[in-house]
Amino acid sequence: QVTLKESGPGILQPSQTLSLTCTFSGFSLSTYGMGVGWIRQPSGKGLEWLANIWWDDDKYYNPSLKNRLTISKDTSNNQAFLKITNVDTADTATYYCARLLNSGHGVMDAWGQGASVTVSS
Amino acid sequence: DIVLTQSPALAVSLGQRATISCKTNQNVDYYGNSYMHWYQQKPGQQPKLLIYLASNLASGIPARFSGRGSGTDFTLTIDPVEADDTATYYCQQSRNLPTFGAGTKLELK
Repeated sequence: QVTLKESGPGILQPSQTLSLTCTFSGFSLSTYGMGVGWIRQPSGKGLEWLANIWWDDDKYYNPSLKNRLTISKDTSNNQAFLKITNVDTADTATYYCARLLNSGHGVMDAWGQGASVTVSS
Repeated sequence: DIVLTQSPALAVSLGQRATISCKTNQNVDYYGNSYMHWYQQKPGQQPKLLIYLASNLASGIPARFSGRGSGTDFTLTIDPVEADDTATYYCQQSRNLPTFGAGTKLELK
């Protein structure tokens, strides 16, 4: 059974760096074809893809946020991470991580429950 | 960016068919696959995969859900609609960097 769970600071101030952790089980990021993606959703709005990381350490970023995003992984501890620098109120959202399947050509087949992040002074 | 366009809302009666469309501004086909996926999201919950590669039913999803299409035009069909199907449905392409449609909210008449 594949499970993912996001964790983050809950609330932070503008200009700070947001650090998110995705802890997962049921698969390994060292296995061929596996990946983890990050997606966010402001309250009442749609889904926005942020970044993907793959088993071979290939990384992809949303161009509109690329300069502020860093994705990484710790395969030994079954975790993936996302950092967003210089946050502002527009970064207030629920942040999801999802498993990616290369065999499904990038489909997000399992999602975490989400971590709520509020940026406020 | 590949832009995905969905109608904002759809109202359907219980037991009837719901057809949700997703149109892209670029072809999302590649080497015989259509890189289009569908997700269901209920209020307060995470999205759930329904259909992958345009027409493949995800594990555990009832056969009432089906997907079809290719190129730039895709549809998700729910037949028959049940009360539990009230949710927002998103399409997502993975032909290029991932993008999502804005979502279609399915309501019951």
